[in-house]
Amino acid sequence: QQPVQSPQAVILREGEDAVINCSSSKALYSVHWYRQKHGEAPVFLMILLKGGEQKGHDKISASFNEKKQQSSLYLTASQLSYSGTYFCGTVGRIQGAQKLVFGQGTRLTINP
Amino acid sequence: EAGVVQSPRYKIIEKKQPVAFWCNPISGHNTLYWYRQNLGQGPELLIRYENEEAVDDSQLPKDRFSAERLKGVDSTLKIQPAELGDSAVYLCASSGRNQETQYFGPGTRLLVL
Repeated sequence: QQPVQSPQAVILREGEDAVINCSSSKALYSVHWYRQKHGEAPVFLMILLKGGEQKGHDKISASFNEKKQQSSLYLTASQLSYSGTYFCGTVGRIQGAQKLVFGQGTRLTINP
Repeated sequence: EAGVVQSPRYKIIEKKQPVAFWCNPISGHNTLYWYRQNLGQGPELLIRYENEEAVDDSQLPKDRFSAERLKGVDSTLKIQPAELGDSAVYLCASSGRNQETQYFGPGTRLLVL
């Protein structure tokens, strides 16, 4: 039931782009994206609801393909502050209740 | 607006000892979650409360873990007795009426020796 994220880790230079993928074997209701810096709490980035929507703010955007049960997070012109571990969390319908299940994370390192 | 507050931030105990974690959610948030995050992994849900009712505790190891949210606000998670494998970060999160966005606290980092 845990969504699968890829890649597991990526190293970029400042200004480069990155794509992080999240896929599930279950039908999804929504996908949530969080960023966590070392030793800190996960910070909410955005939520995508069923319907194949796209969202974005600043230079971080995401898409959700409901039919393929996949979501992608796009970081363009990456900044040093983007470094951290990115988690997708998926909400399906399990036993009639919504439950957020997190992937294993993608560690993003931005170098100057 | 204050975020989710957790205490203590760090705890070191010996195995077989009890330990308790405290969480104060964002004001007005009826839904409260306890997660456990092992090193290099994503958070895993332990229990979810709607007000004072535990509506999902299927992942809570009930032989040694317990939780309460007596007045529907603060919550306490307890482990008794602790085992070496319980070493992890315990995160508390809360969400409002739509339950869609969860806001996390800084977590309690537990080390069991």
